[in-house]
Amino acid sequence: ETGVTQTPRHLVMGMTNKKSLKCEQHLGHNAMYWYKQSAKKPLELMFVYNFKEQTENNSVPSRFSPECPNSSHLFLHLHTLQPEDSALYLCASSPTSLSTDTQYFGPGTRLTVL
Amino acid sequence: EDQVTQSPEALRLQEGESSSLNCSYTVSGLRGLFWYRQDPGKGPEFLFTLYSAGEEKEKERLKATLTKKESFLHITAPKPEDSATYLCAVKAAGNKLTFGGGTRVLVKP
Repeated sequence: ETGVTQTPRHLVMGMTNKKSLKCEQHLGHNAMYWYKQSAKKPLELMFVYNFKEQTENNSVPSRFSPECPNSSHLFLHLHTLQPEDSALYLCASSPTSLSTDTQYFGPGTRLTVL
Repeated sequence: EDQVTQSPEALRLQEGESSSLNCSYTVSGLRGLFWYRQDPGKGPEFLFTLYSAGEEKEKERLKATLTKKESFLHITAPKPEDSATYLCAVKAAGNKLTFGGGTRVLVKP
């Protein structure tokens, strides 16, 4: 596989469930990102990892917990979500987190919270 | 705070009818302006990066230009397959990519 992949592509969960989203990049990049895309709202940055270290948490509620075990993999652990958390969750990667680096996006996970 | 405003929100074109999309930005110390294309239910696909005023880049029927306050994405003689949402984003110093709300383009045959 090439590029940035995300699994699952679709997820439906109840408010009391615990689930995880997975992202894998095959580009040899060192920075990875989680974004949230809600209907009628611009893409919102959630977390940034650079060389496996979290460098930014954009005031995200603690019910979202990221994990970056290595530069190729990124997870987003979900627990006790709310219906308003339903959105498209996008993963991206870039060579580094330098501001001039282009970010490349995965296809996203469509999350529905019942 | 960095701000990005895209206009129009939606654009309906006939095949072959050229048009331009606008991205106005307010940022302290622009490091890069990025254009992406997003199809429904998919992730954004990278199109262009522009770094300084006066810079232009082209790819097939698309041409992106940059001034000190805005960027334009020109679509020349569009085809139905150019239908998508076009996203503009800016970066100042730091990690954060700030996106605009996008322009939904529909090209009718």
